[in-house]
Amino acid sequence: LAKTTQPISMDSYEGQEVNITCSHNNIATNDYITWYQQFPSQGPRFIIQGYKTKVTNEVASLFIPADRKSSTLSLPRVSLSDTAVYYCLVVSTNYGGATNKLIFGTGTLLAVQP
Amino acid sequence: EPEVTQTPSHQVTQMGQEVILRCVPISNHLYFYWYRQILGQKVEFLVSFYNNEISEKSEIFDDQFSVERPDGSNFTLKIRSTKLEDSAMYFCASTEPGSSETQYFGPGTRLLVL
Repeated sequence: LAKTTQPISMDSYEGQEVNITCSHNNIATNDYITWYQQFPSQGPRFIIQGYKTKVTNEVASLFIPADRKSSTLSLPRVSLSDTAVYYCLVVSTNYGGATNKLIFGTGTLLAVQP
Repeated sequence: EPEVTQTPSHQVTQMGQEVILRCVPISNHLYFYWYRQILGQKVEFLVSFYNNEISEKSEIFDDQFSVERPDGSNFTLKIRSTKLEDSAMYFCASTEPGSSETQYFGPGTRLLVL
């Protein structure tokens, strides 16, 4: 599994757009990039996943350049409730019949201030 | 929206005692996982389970640990003889068929071993 590197922490203010970049230089052809969010004393929560280019859902956007060696999670107009740890993970495609463990790093602690 | 549930939310036990942590995965999911998170540390993979057998386990998952799916809904983690260092949040996760990249986590059980 490719190792990921992301900032340990970031600060932002309410209403701002936040971009968290993750590097994964050794990503393999059949790997996806997945982001999870974790609030204190809660389980991680899936945010978004992508393979290449741009993916957008109701929560975030994920930008992946052509070489796929990095990715950027974009949170539009953050609020205080977005304060959490955000994890970037590289996950291999499961073609069925096998489980797929997630390897979490230390993540990025995003602190949103009023 | 369906969700993974876990019981109990908190458990305090004496060192050497057995504990059973319970999880009810999302009903149509086929892949099941246990993770743990020691306070202030990373989320760590323990074990994965598919088709009524362990698919993969980590070095943490030694002979003191076991998992079971006793019926069609519950997925349990048993620690036979707890140690102080087993104190952690334990998270259950499940994934639906054909999409094991997206794992849905439960709220966790906080285990405190005294």
